[in-house]
Amino acid sequence: NAGVTQTPKFQVLKTGQSMTLQCAQDMNHNSMYWYRQDPGMGLRLIYYSASEGTTDKGEVPNGYNVSRLNKREFSLRLESAAPSQTSVYFCASRDYSLVEQFFGPGTRLTVL
Amino acid sequence: AQKITQTQPGMFVQEKEAVTLDCTYDTSDQSYGLFWYKQPSSGEMIFLIYQGSYDEQNATEGRYSLNFQKARKSANLVISASQLGDSAMYFCAGSSNTGKLIFGQGTTLQVKP
Repeated sequence: NAGVTQTPKFQVLKTGQSMTLQCAQDMNHNSMYWYRQDPGMGLRLIYYSASEGTTDKGEVPNGYNVSRLNKREFSLRLESAAPSQTSVYFCASRDYSLVEQFFGPGTRLTVL
Repeated sequence: AQKITQTQPGMFVQEKEAVTLDCTYDTSDQSYGLFWYKQPSSGEMIFLIYQGSYDEQNATEGRYSLNFQKARKSANLVISASQLGDSAMYFCAGSSNTGKLIFGQGTTLQVKP
């Protein structure tokens, strides 16, 4: 099992460009989450999907959109990137029967 | 909404000694969970330990134990017999029944040989 995978690992964008961060899990988990981590800070929830077909906002949703493509995949889109979105982005997944969230390796995004 | 507070930005501990990392929480939920995650310099998030609000016994996982004091709203992590590989950032996090995690700001632990 690969667990939670994220692509790309690194990305540099110019202000105003758009991009989609991809996340996939092979553990048949119901819930998936997107977090961002700014330097020296804890993770903050951007969006989550409690189950296939549902998405909800977290603490810091502005400037982002998400798509739960199927049970395995949950993508995060930046429509018009801003320097304030420079961060490390983590995807996570969880099964209803478990308490633990399993995290992907992260995507380091820099917006110039 | 939950709030998680970690008041120790950085801690040092001598190898083989025990160390306690502090975490306090604030929530109006009746049912909640408290987690500790480790983030080494490589950046991945590693789950360490979990305590449910209704669990009467403090959680333990190997060298990690969670000192849960409900009346004080604290969920401190105790690492026994510290090892050099324990040097990392440690995050306390809380969740409600939706599974969403609220993280504290983290504590950097450095283990001295």
